[in-house]
Amino acid sequence: GDSVTQMEGPVTLSEEAFLTINCTYTATGYPSLFWYVQYPGEGLQLLLKATKADDKGSNKGFEATYRKETTSFHLEKGSVQVSDSAVYFCALSSYSGAGSYQLTFGKGTKLSVIP
Amino acid sequence: EAQVTQNPRYLITVTGKKLTVTCSQNMNHEYMSWYRQDPGLGLRQIYYSMNVEVTDKGDVPEGYKVSRKEKRNFPLILESPSPNQTSLYFCASSRGDWYEQYFGPGTRLTVT
Repeated sequence: GDSVTQMEGPVTLSEEAFLTINCTYTATGYPSLFWYVQYPGEGLQLLLKATKADDKGSNKGFEATYRKETTSFHLEKGSVQVSDSAVYFCALSSYSGAGSYQLTFGKGTKLSVIP
Repeated sequence: EAQVTQNPRYLITVTGKKLTVTCSQNMNHEYMSWYRQDPGLGLRQIYYSMNVEVTDKGDVPEGYKVSRKEKRNFPLILESPSPNQTSLYFCASSRGDWYEQYFGPGTRLTVT
């Protein structure tokens, strides 16, 4: 079945540091890829997405590029802020047959940014 | 404001006492689902619904029931809760299962 593997946390960075959170996937066909963010005490919210190979999703200074050749969708940000402290989830949506799609999440990576 | 609401936000109950967690969305979404979030396990889907009266099992459906009688509501029912159902539960909705999900704020359930 489909799976998403993301780097284990927690990740602790100083403010203005560069962030990379690795995400790789296995899936049949051509999945859509997502990054969701969960701020403390809240539900998940979509951060960015990419629906086909070589697409780059971006939002709030975060970027991720859909790399089919390496089955990866790494999240990057050039300069993190304290307000970026959250748990980040990589996810994919792929066709599972009978007109339905399967959504699969990674286990999440907790990011803490210190001033 | 487009949103997914869940109630209650926090619940402490005892083993075997039936409970229902409500979920409602105001975006006219067809697809709704329930997840549980546990440390080290990430998010796991419990049940989902493609439309009214259409529901199906996710990855961890045992011990749960759902119904979809109206498009906007998708309650999660625990007929006989057990301690291993202590978890953080999220409801989500979307235009279809291909699309991004909109999540509710979560319900923290403790079963003693």
